[in-house]
Amino acid sequence: GESVGLHLPTLSVQEGDNSIINCAYSNSASDYFIWYKQESGKGPQFIIDIRSNMDKRQGQRVTVLLNKTVKHLSLQIAATQPGDSAVYFCAENTMGSNYKLTFGKGTLLTVNP
Amino acid sequence: GAGVSQSPSNKVTEKGKDVELRCDPISGHTALYWYRQSLGQGLEFLIYFQGNSAPDKSGLPSDRFSAERTGGSVSTLTIQRTQQEDSAVYLCASSRDSGSSYNEQFFGPGTRLTVL
Repeated sequence: GESVGLHLPTLSVQEGDNSIINCAYSNSASDYFIWYKQESGKGPQFIIDIRSNMDKRQGQRVTVLLNKTVKHLSLQIAATQPGDSAVYFCAENTMGSNYKLTFGKGTLLTVNP
Repeated sequence: GAGVSQSPSNKVTEKGKDVELRCDPISGHTALYWYRQSLGQGLEFLIYFQGNSAPDKSGLPSDRFSAERTGGSVSTLTIQRTQQEDSAVYLCASSRDSGSSYNEQFFGPGTRLTVL
C-alpha cells in the first residue's frame, strides 16, 4: 500500500547547527503535508504545513520543502536548539479525505549542547 | 485556553481485562480523532467523529475496540479483553469542523496503556 516514510530514523546535531529531516511519500494523490514535533510524554504538536501547489514554505526557524517530482518532503530547522530535541513526524492528507492523515514513523532529533 | 485532555495518563492492566480511555476535546471542536502509537512507530488512525454524523471506524483493529462520543464532546475508547499487543500510547485529537478542507488537529498528551 501507499505510505509515508522517513529516510533517517535518528539525527544528532550540535547546538547552533542547521538540521534537515527528510520524508518520502508515495501517494501522488496527497495534496497537503504537515510536520509534527513530539516531545517525550506529550502529544504531537503542529510545526508547519504545506500544500501541494507550493514547493517551499517558511516559518520561524523552520522551512518545509516539497519536491513533488520525487515525492520528497523535508523539514529544515535553523540554528537548532536543545529544545528542538524531539521526534519529528511528517504526515500527509490525501485529496478527497479532509481529515485522514497518514503518518511516517518519525525521526528522533537529538541536539547536543 | 485549555487544550485536549486525556485520562488516565497511564494505565496498567492485566491481559483479558477491559479498559476505558477518556478524551476531553477542545471546547467548540466538533471533530474528534483517536490514534494509536506503538513504540517507535508513527500514529495509526483508529476512529473519527464529526458532529452527529456516523463515525468513521475504519481504523479500529478488531471488534474488541469501540468508541463513543456523548453529547458531541467527551469521547471514550474502550478496549475489551485486552491483549499484550494492545500496549501502546493512545492519542486523542480534536479539530474544528473539517468541512471541505483539512483543519489542524490538536493532540492531547495521550494515555500510555500497558497490558501485562
